[in-house]
Amino acid sequence: GENVEQHPSTLSVQEGDSAVIKCTYSDSASNYFPWYKQELGKRPQLIIDIRSNVGEKKDQRIAVTLNKTAKHFSLHITETQPEDSAVYFCAASREGGADGLTFGKGTHLIIQP
Amino acid sequence: GAGVSQSPSNKVTEKGKDVELRCDPISGHTALYWYRQSLGQGLEFLIYFQGNSAPDKSGLPSDRFSAERTGGSVSTLTIQRTQQEDSAVYLCASSLMGHNTEAFFGQGTRLTVV
Repeated sequence: GENVEQHPSTLSVQEGDSAVIKCTYSDSASNYFPWYKQELGKRPQLIIDIRSNVGEKKDQRIAVTLNKTAKHFSLHITETQPEDSAVYFCAASREGGADGLTFGKGTHLIIQP
Repeated sequence: GAGVSQSPSNKVTEKGKDVELRCDPISGHTALYWYRQSLGQGLEFLIYFQGNSAPDKSGLPSDRFSAERTGGSVSTLTIQRTQQEDSAVYLCASSLMGHNTEAFFGQGTRLTVV
């Protein structure tokens, strides 16, 4: 089955700086890569996703890039704000895959004031 | 419409007892997932239902765990003879068509085995 590795496990950045979280996946047939944000005590929620037919997608201060050849994708957050503090999970899935969404282990993002 | 609903929100049970956790997915969603999240940890995949296909049970940690999805809607996760290591938050999610569509999570059931 699919295996998703996520790094770093913890990331601390100064408010206003950028944050980058990276994920690699093992199944070359995976074609959907969502990112979820989980605030303390709350449920995970989708913040952005990318499909394998594009290399980059942006939504205001967040962007995701995908390198299919290298089988890795990254989340970029610019001009970080205190409300960006949360745990971020990447995931991968493919058509016909039996195990649905496979998640990385998460990155705890801490925004320092 | 309503989101994914899980019940109970919290469950405290004695070691060795059986528990049932319920998930009501968003109406019309064909895919349903169960995940387990221990304190401060990631999302451990347990089981995945897609339409009428046989579920993928490869993530279930032991034969004490089982899950059903009746009528393609409500799902129940059953843990028999609970152990202390079963203590965690159990999250359910549903999506419209499974792969390549957004998964919506419920608020979770916090299970504590004492």
